[in-house]
Amino acid sequence: GEDVEQSLFLSVREGDSSVINCTYTDSSSTYLYWYKQEPGAGLQLLTYIFSNMDMKQDQRLTVLLNKKDKHLSLRIADTQTGDSAIYFCAERPLSGGYNKLIFGAGTRLAVHP
Amino acid sequence: KAGVTQTPRYLIKTRGQQVTLSCSPISGHRSVSWYQQTPGQGLQFLFEYFSETQRNKGNFPGRFSGRQFSNSRSEMNVSTLELGDSALYLCASSPGRSGSLPYEQYFGPGTRLTVT
Repeated sequence: GEDVEQSLFLSVREGDSSVINCTYTDSSSTYLYWYKQEPGAGLQLLTYIFSNMDMKQDQRLTVLLNKKDKHLSLRIADTQTGDSAIYFCAERPLSGGYNKLIFGAGTRLAVHP
Repeated sequence: KAGVTQTPRYLIKTRGQQVTLSCSPISGHRSVSWYQQTPGQGLQFLFEYFSETQRNKGNFPGRFSGRQFSNSRSEMNVSTLELGDSALYLCASSPGRSGSLPYEQYFGPGTRLTVT
């Protein structure tokens, strides 16, 4: 089946690291993505990871993938107030067709001073 | 490069009416996907168009339809609107070619539809 789960809220202090977790069910998923949505805006693609990778680093962002447990995480180093937003994890199942993404419910990240 | 544009940004309609939303993808992109975002159901895939053909479809009733033009611009139509159709409708653009890994999709700002 296709299902993606995320915790709904995360609160961190400015300057700390944030870790947003996600679990997915479709083991055929080839790519997994992280999107960011700010109030009143569309989705911004942050990063992605291919299913044969364990880790990907992109500036302040680190993605970790545990394919055995179907667990994905996004770590944001030195979190800033501008990082406050909703973060969506998404999988692209092999059976879903070319561009069908399955999204989690989103994690609302609140950064406080 | 200009991003994905969607028009209109906001729309208010009455139950029973129909509505047409428009999406212009990034120049050179041939795939356009549509998603519905609601507080209760989250982000759900509606359909995808590539080279004027519907390539993939989600689990929505037939009241939801779409099309794509030769310039890759896409429209989606919702007929006989219901209160539950109130949502943010997002369009995503992708190159769409089989070689265009990793299938990155770039989203527009969305059209917020309110049905009263």
